Amino acid sequence: EDKVVQSPLSLVVHEGDTVTLNCSYEVTNFRSLLWYKQEKKAPTFLFMLTSSGIEKKSGRLSSILDKKELFSILNITATQTGDSAIYLCAVGGSGGSNYKLTFGKGTLLTVNP
Amino acid sequence: GAGVSQSPRYKVAKRGQDVALRCDPISGHVSLFWYQQALGQGPEFLTYFQNEAQLDKSGLPSDRFFAERPEGSVSTLKIQRTQQEDSAVYLCASSSTPGIGYTFGSGTRLTVV
Repeated sequence: EDKVVQSPLSLVVHEGDTVTLNCSYEVTNFRSLLWYKQEKKAPTFLFMLTSSGIEKKSGRLSSILDKKELFSILNITATQTGDSAIYLCAVGGSGGSNYKLTFGKGTLLTVNP
Repeated sequence: GAGVSQSPRYKVAKRGQDVALRCDPISGHVSLFWYQQALGQGPEFLTYFQNEAQLDKSGLPSDRFFAERPEGSVSTLKIQRTQQEDSAVYLCASSSTPGIGYTFGSGTRLTVV
């Protein structure tokens, strides 16, 4: 059974801090790892990673995947109160169930002014 | 439409009542998914449609749960004889390509009292 473990489960920081969120996984026939930001209810897509060692970057957010060690990190620099949300990591397999995502429990990030 | 639309946004049901949750995916998206997200947990896969065909319903927790997509666009998730453990946010997502680029709706928060 595919498994995704995120850490920490929650984190409180001050504006301007840099944070690193962790995601480790076990999946049969890995295809992709995705990061989502969930505010209120709808998860919104941040990154999809398929190759090891290649950093994806969007503004203050960046993410990298290590397929050998089976983990990914999401970095947020110069955090703002608007970054407060749950950050979800999900993995997708290949083969017959390539449409299915397995999610971790998420990291609840709170950025205080 | 521009995004995935779900209705109602909130639903309170008395235990034993039947409920129907609606999902209107992005126009032209072939793939449609339902996920269940309990409080403090990540989304968990319920079922997958490709056009009108339900290709995977392995995640439906019991035979009280039923999903359909008769014309390959709008989908309905029906829960019969609701129980307290059904309380969760039900997320719908659509994609033009299975396994890539899910877009989630805002979900329906179901509370069973």
